[in-house]
Amino acid sequence: SAVISQKPSRDICQRGTSLTIQCQVDSQVTMMFWYRQQPGQSLTLIATANQGSEATYESGFVIDKFPISRPNLTFSTLTVSNMSPEDSSIYLCSVRRQGAGELFFGEGSRLTVL
Amino acid sequence: GIQVEQSPPDLILQEGANSTLRCNFSDSVNNLQWFHQNPWGQLINLFYIPSGTKQNGRLSATTVATERYSLLYISSSQTTDSGVYFCAVIIQGAQKLVFGQGTRLTINP
Repeated sequence: SAVISQKPSRDICQRGTSLTIQCQVDSQVTMMFWYRQQPGQSLTLIATANQGSEATYESGFVIDKFPISRPNLTFSTLTVSNMSPEDSSIYLCSVRRQGAGELFFGEGSRLTVL
Repeated sequence: GIQVEQSPPDLILQEGANSTLRCNFSDSVNNLQWFHQNPWGQLINLFYIPSGTKQNGRLSATTVATERYSLLYISSSQTTDSGVYFCAVIIQGAQKLVFGQGTRLTINP
């Protein structure tokens, strides 16, 4: 398995502000992903974080709203920009090691936007 | 895209009961995982099982890839088993994990 640390674990934010979530892994991984889980819903992939290049976004998600960085093989950030109450969700980082099939998830970051 | 359907959507049982959760998927996959999301939102890996059968304590899982379904068995349920169980798959040739809608399991004492 992989030890995945996410910060913050939870936060309450004001409408119109932005928040950056960090994901730190204890070892190098090939794939890093960011997921969103809206209240009462399943998990939806936001984007694949690519090391040293722009993230690959899924349909319905755009870079201006969810900028992602991945400066190295163990760290990534997701920013939720210009937040509205609809952005209240759990945001989860997920990783996959090279040659491994299984994905692991961080503890999640629970955002509430007022 | 691939469809991942889980059933039942909700399940309420008494402590000690057994249960079977099902996951159907619409395309060939090279990864299938079962997760348990506890009441605090943590997603816990239960099984990585693209095919075959695995057991871990009171839990076991079977995936029949040729028939595109997987089953999760929970025996002698405990209240701590409560939460949402997710099935997720990666289709062949892809990298991303696609989740089903989950089964919400409630175990009453």
